[in-house]
Amino acid sequence: QVQLVESGGGLVKPGGSLRLSCAASGFTFSDYYMSWVRQPPGMGLEWVSYISSSGSTIYYAGSVKGRFAISRDNAKNSLYLQMNSLRAEDTAVYYCARMSGRDFDSWGQGTLVTVSS
Amino acid sequence: DIQMTQSPSSLSASVGDRVTITCRASQSISNYLNWYQQKPEKAPKLLIHGASKLESGVPSRFSGSGSGTDFTLTISSLQPDDFATYYCQQSYDTPSITFGQGTRLDIK
Repeated sequence: QVQLVESGGGLVKPGGSLRLSCAASGFTFSDYYMSWVRQPPGMGLEWVSYISSSGSTIYYAGSVKGRFAISRDNAKNSLYLQMNSLRAEDTAVYYCARMSGRDFDSWGQGTLVTVSS
Repeated sequence: DIQMTQSPSSLSASVGDRVTITCRASQSISNYLNWYQQKPEKAPKLLIHGASKLESGVPSRFSGSGSGTDFTLTISSLQPDDFATYYCQQSYDTPSITFGQGTRLDIK
């Protein structure tokens, strides 16, 4: 079955950097667009970024553009999110999600990123 | 960006009740509307895509309808497992994907 496992979250100071990873299994990773979606504590869902199956097309939400970078390694069945210049408002659970057409049909369990001094 | 507004923000209902949650888009999104269920400390789960297409494995008591700007998620007979938070999400304005603020469904 489809499995997505995020890692790399933790506590980081404002202005710091963090790299999230998502290990995929149970499906042909290279066939699917992938996304990152985040959820601040006690709040709703916010789409962050997505990347096409080949990695050639990438989009970001305005709130992270210029600070975050999404990438993938299809040989390793892995998705990444490099987060730089982190701010307190980036504190959230970050989910890796598989895109099927225009919806998110499978999600990981999430990894918590806390930005605080 | 297209704004998605859900109503109500929260509601209380009993097992066996029929429940309807509404999602309104700030502009027409055709039928590019998806619904998710999220339980505490868990990842969201896709319930309905394309406004009315039930995801495989989702119970038939869930249904979705609507097009343009107004959409509804209906649970025909609430079960104990259905108490959760529900989110709508538009995918018309890709890549600017947006979610509603969520509707929390509690036990009365």
